[in-house]
Amino acid sequence: KAGVTQTPRYLIKTRGQQVTLSCSPISGHRSVSWYQQTPGQGLQFLFEYFSETQRNKGNFPGRFSGRQFSNSRSEMNVSTLELGDSALYLCASSLGQTSYNEQFFGPGTRLTVL
Amino acid sequence: DQQVKQNSPSLSVQEGRISILNCDYTNSMFDYFLWYKKYPAEGPTFLISISSIKDKNEDGRFTVFLNKSAKHLSLHIVPSQPGDSAVYFCAASAGNSGYALNFGKGTSLLVTP
Repeated sequence: KAGVTQTPRYLIKTRGQQVTLSCSPISGHRSVSWYQQTPGQGLQFLFEYFSETQRNKGNFPGRFSGRQFSNSRSEMNVSTLELGDSALYLCASSLGQTSYNEQFFGPGTRLTVL
Repeated sequence: DQQVKQNSPSLSVQEGRISILNCDYTNSMFDYFLWYKKYPAEGPTFLISISSIKDKNEDGRFTVFLNKSAKHLSLHIVPSQPGDSAVYFCAASAGNSGYALNFGKGTSLLVTP
């Protein structure tokens, strides 16, 4: 079974631009979560989608948004990029039927904001 | 504030010995705990989990212990192998408040031959 895939793997943007990251979950998984990893803050939860609906949201500004499609693929968008948005963005998928389902992570997208 | 804490940023162990990684949490609503391993340039890989109704869970060389009264969990790796060298993250979630995982900042384990 193929794992979680994320595209692109690396991205360089400048301040003020916007960016869209993509995540394809494991086949059969209906939940997709997004996390931001930075050296100072560690892994922080952004949001979680299940069946095209956002079920849970972390403490990030409204510049961070996401969506999920009917095939469970998900995209994350960051508008008006700031230098502090430079991070590894990780996507995780799970069956999503209960909160006790393990989450499986993709390799991440490394975003650099100049 | 950090609800899951891994107070040891790094740990070095000899091959064949036991590695013990520790994790403390503050939120008493957490009822599901997981350990992930992460290599550079890869996403975290799920290792083992435990729910709050148990105090121990084993999977091969990996055992997780949960002490709810102390709000503490630990991951034991026996015997440790050089391939275990990675960053280990402890994570927790509260089943009744969503699906978000709260992560510690990780412990870098080095297993030396």
